[in-house]
Amino acid sequence: DAKTTQPNSMESNEEEPVHLPCNHSTISGTDYIHWYRQLPSQGPEYVIHGLTSNVNNRMASLAIAEDRKSSTLILHRATLRDAAVYYCILRGVSGSGGYQKVTFGIGTKLQVIP
Amino acid sequence: EAGVAQSPRYKIIEKRQSVAFWCNPISGHATLYWYQQILGQGPKLLIQFQNNGVVDDSQLPKDRFSAERLKGVDSTLKIQPAKLEDSAVYLCASSLVQGRGTEAFFGQGTRLTVV
Repeated sequence: DAKTTQPNSMESNEEEPVHLPCNHSTISGTDYIHWYRQLPSQGPEYVIHGLTSNVNNRMASLAIAEDRKSSTLILHRATLRDAAVYYCILRGVSGSGGYQKVTFGIGTKLQVIP
Repeated sequence: EAGVAQSPRYKIIEKRQSVAFWCNPISGHATLYWYQQILGQGPKLLIQFQNNGVVDDSQLPKDRFSAERLKGVDSTLKIQPAKLEDSAVYLCASSLVQGRGTEAFFGQGTRLTVV
């Protein structure tokens, strides 16, 4: 599986935008970029995904570099409820025959300061 | 829409005992995943089902872990016998299809403590 690299932790002030970076220099042309987040004592929760173009939804925006080797998850106004571990994941086709894994790294722990 | 249901939420057992976890995925979801999450780490995929067939169990310790998905719906994960290092949260997830653009939905997990 192609790997992703994220900072271990980040801080943000409440009500300010947050930009969470992810490097994925070995991404293949068919890999989707997914972001999940995990609040304390909860299972991971889907945030957003994209392939080549930037994406927006009610939770966040995803900015994908033109060469696709990096991406940034943007939370437009951080709230205390956004404090979580954010995982950047590449979802692609397995070499052995067509199924897609969802493989997590360590993620970025986001702390939101009131 | 009901989410992924898991039970029990918490379990404490002694080493060398057996334990089983149950998962009910979202209705109609063909793909089911079991993950192990050790404290401070990201979830690690143990096994992935497509309907009731296994498509990936490469990281499942098969000498002590087993999983099944009868009739392509509910699934159980069993550990027999448990070791201290099995203490972790066991997460079940499901997705509608296997598409790369498809999101996975997670349950709240079962926290296992082996003493």
